Amino acid sequence: DAGVTQSPTHLIKTRGQHVTLRCSPISGHKSVSWYQQVLGQGPQFIFQYYEKEERGRGNFPDRFSARQFPNYSSELNVNALLLGDSALYLCASSFTGGSSYEQYFGPGTRLTVT
Amino acid sequence: GQQLNQSPQSMFIQEGEDVSMNCTSSSIFNTWLWYKQEPGEGPVLLIALYKAGELTSNGRLTAQFGITRKDSFLNISASIPSDVGIYFCAGRLTGANSKLTFGKGITLSVRP
Repeated sequence: DAGVTQSPTHLIKTRGQHVTLRCSPISGHKSVSWYQQVLGQGPQFIFQYYEKEERGRGNFPDRFSARQFPNYSSELNVNALLLGDSALYLCASSFTGGSSYEQYFGPGTRLTVT
Repeated sequence: GQQLNQSPQSMFIQEGEDVSMNCTSSSIFNTWLWYKQEPGEGPVLLIALYKAGELTSNGRLTAQFGITRKDSFLNISASIPSDVGIYFCAGRLTGANSKLTFGKGITLSVRP
């Protein structure tokens, strides 16, 4: 069975640009969460989507936005990129937002902002 | 914001040894999870715990959900070189949907 897939694998952008990251959850999973992981730290929660609705938002500026599509895939968008946005962006999927909170992570997208 | 405390940052053990890691918080968590991350990869779920006092094993790994619900422990027995990686604890607060709060991780090195 395919796990969580993310694209692209790596990305280099310039300050001020915009970026879109994509995620496909495990088949049958309806919830997708996005995390940011900077070097030397644990992942930090950005968003959770379940059944196309935002169910949670972390402490990130409005430059960060996301959406979930009818097939449960998701996009994370970041506008007006800053150097500090350089990080590994992880997508995690789970079956529901209900009693099972086991989240399965993809390999991540490595974003470098120059 | 909420924080999970993991220390030390790094651990060095000899192949075949057992190792224990703990994770503490000032807040009560309803779910504890342990992940392992290797370079260039996303975190891989090792064990999930849902009840205070719960003890769960996955092969050579055993984890426990602390009675106070403010801590969790992971034990790796008879370590092997492929146990090398960064071990993260993660917790979920009541009403936090699927949001997980992660510790900073412990880097484990295993000497052959």
